Amino acid sequence: GIQVEQSPPDLILQEGANSTLRCNFSDSVNNLQWFHQNPWGQLINLFYIPSGTKQNGRLSATTVATERYSLLYISSSQTTDSGVYFCAVLNTGTASKLTFGTGTRLQVTL
Amino acid sequence: GAGVSQTPSNKVTEKGKYVELRCDPISGHTALYWYRQSLGQGPEFLIYFQGTGAADDSGLPNDRFFAVRPEGSVSTLKIQRTERGDSAVYLCASSNPGGEQFFGPGTRLTVL
Repeated sequence: GIQVEQSPPDLILQEGANSTLRCNFSDSVNNLQWFHQNPWGQLINLFYIPSGTKQNGRLSATTVATERYSLLYISSSQTTDSGVYFCAVLNTGTASKLTFGTGTRLQVTL
Repeated sequence: GAGVSQTPSNKVTEKGKYVELRCDPISGHTALYWYRQSLGQGPEFLIYFQGTGAADDSGLPNDRFFAVRPEGSVSTLKIQRTERGDSAVYLCASSNPGGEQFFGPGTRLTVL
């Protein structure tokens, strides 16, 4: 099956810093989503971005499907950004099941 | 509007018992999914419904696991003869016609 790798696995930032999270996938995809899992376990939708660039406030994402990667940018980080960030992909030809990456655990400190 | 809801939020059971986990999808979403998340891992796919039928159940780990969606809305995940290795957070998601999946808060299952 498709492999989804995220880097870095862990990240500690001071409040106000910027960061880039990366998601690499091993096969063609029809769909790519970025999620933030908060400390209570809720998966929060950040972006639905099979290709191109999107921005939402301090967050933006870019997917280059032909090169099989996606990037999530977090600017001016806040303590509420802490949690685990997951990339999930829908492999072409595999109906609708998402395959999740291993996640990036982000801690933002004061 | 209301998101995906799941009940119970926590379930503690003894090894060998039967459990049912419930999912209420977002109104109007015809596609529904179950995933399982173990500690420190990303969610893993279990089963996908389109309407009332299971379109893909390839992620169910064995025949102790079964899921239904009799009226095309609410779904129930059923686990027979629970084992300690079944302990995990069970997540339900539903998707809009565009395919974006939205997740519920999960049910944390603990098998003692």
